[in-house]
Amino acid sequence: EDKVVQSPLSLVVHEGDTVTLNCSYEVTNFRSLLWYKQEKKAPTFLFMLTSSGIEKKSGRLSSILDKKELFSILNITATQTGDSAVYLCAVRGNSGGSNYKLTFGKGTLLTVNP
Amino acid sequence: DVKVTQSSRYLVKRTGEKVFLECVQDMDHENMFWYRQDPGLGLRLIYFSYDVKMKEKGDIPEGYSVSREKKERFSLILESASTNQTSMYLCAGQGSNQPQHFGDGTRLSIL
Repeated sequence: EDKVVQSPLSLVVHEGDTVTLNCSYEVTNFRSLLWYKQEKKAPTFLFMLTSSGIEKKSGRLSSILDKKELFSILNITATQTGDSAVYLCAVRGNSGGSNYKLTFGKGTLLTVNP
Repeated sequence: DVKVTQSSRYLVKRTGEKVFLECVQDMDHENMFWYRQDPGLGLRLIYFSYDVKMKEKGDIPEGYSVSREKKERFSLILESASTNQTSMYLCAGQGSNQPQHFGDGTRLSIL
């Protein structure tokens, strides 16, 4: 059974701090790892990672994948109150013959205080 | 990007009712998914579909069924609603080798 574990489960920081969110996984026939941000509504897509060691970057957010050690990190620099959200990590494998399924972690709740 | 629209943001139904949740995507993509999201349990896959009239069970299909008569529409059906099906329901669409994109969700309460 595919498994995704995120840490920490919650985090409180001050504006301007840098945070690192962790995601480790066990999956049959890894295809990709995805990060989403969820505020009050649906998750919105941030990054999709397929190759080890290649950083993906969007503004103050960046992410990298280590396929040997089976984990990914999501970094947010110079945090703002608008970064407060649940950050979800998901992996796509080929479990049970299906290569469409995503398995989600339980998320990290980030709170950025002014 | 796929745009996914769910028909209702909030829905209140009674125990035993048959409930339909509708989801439409605006691109010609094969893959569509239904999840439920509960505090402490995260997102769990109920059913997905990779083509018209094709469906596969996810991790928690019991008490649910789905219908995919047209490529753009994927319906989730609660055959006889129960209180433990009170949840946030999320639909997602996906193009080939693309990320899943989610609708805004339907918060369903079963009384």
